[in-house]
Amino acid sequence: KQEVTQIPAALSVPEGENLVLNCSFTDSAIYNLQWFRQDPGKGLTSLLLIQSSQREQTSGRLNASLDKSSGRSTLYIAASQPGDSATYLCAVKDNNNDMRFGAGTRLTVKP
Amino acid sequence: NAGVTQTPKFQVLKTGQSMTLQCAQDMNHNSMYWYRQDPGMGLRLIYYSASEGTTDKGEVPNGYNVSRLNKREFSLRLESAAPSQTSVYFCASSSDRSNSPLHFGNGTRLTVT
Repeated sequence: KQEVTQIPAALSVPEGENLVLNCSFTDSAIYNLQWFRQDPGKGLTSLLLIQSSQREQTSGRLNASLDKSSGRSTLYIAASQPGDSATYLCAVKDNNNDMRFGAGTRLTVKP
Repeated sequence: NAGVTQTPKFQVLKTGQSMTLQCAQDMNHNSMYWYRQDPGMGLRLIYYSASEGTTDKGEVPNGYNVSRLNKREFSLRLESAAPSQTSVYFCASSSDRSNSPLHFGNGTRLTVT
């Protein structure tokens, strides 16, 4: 059974800092990996989806990388802003369409 | 741009009561899902519907039933609520089940006393 881990559970950084969020998974036979953002009291918003054949995806200040062999993905946020404060979750889908979520990293960007 | 709409937003039930959570999407998506989110845990899939007319169990289906009423609507029913079902419930949809991003509703916060 796939297990997805996100460490740390919480992270606080000053505005303007570049930061990296981590996601690790136990089974490298994945179909794709998604990064989501969740604001308090809201649903999840999809940020980036990386296919198993891809190494990275970029959207604006966000860059997600995937290393299947080591079971790791990172979400890089450049020049962080207070509006980036949210919980970030990763989810891994296997070849049977089974998707497993990590518990998330709660990010606070201080002005 | 309504996207995925869930009702109600909040609900308090007593143990043994029943209720139905409603979900509708206006994106013409084929696949719809119900998840629950508990503190410190990732989202866990309760049931999904890969396409209109089909439903399948997810990781934690016990105590729940679902109905895919039509392409737009996917409801989740708790027949006899238990305190262990206190959670935040999310409905999601996607164009297809394999390679499309998920779109989520804003959730229903359910408390069972």
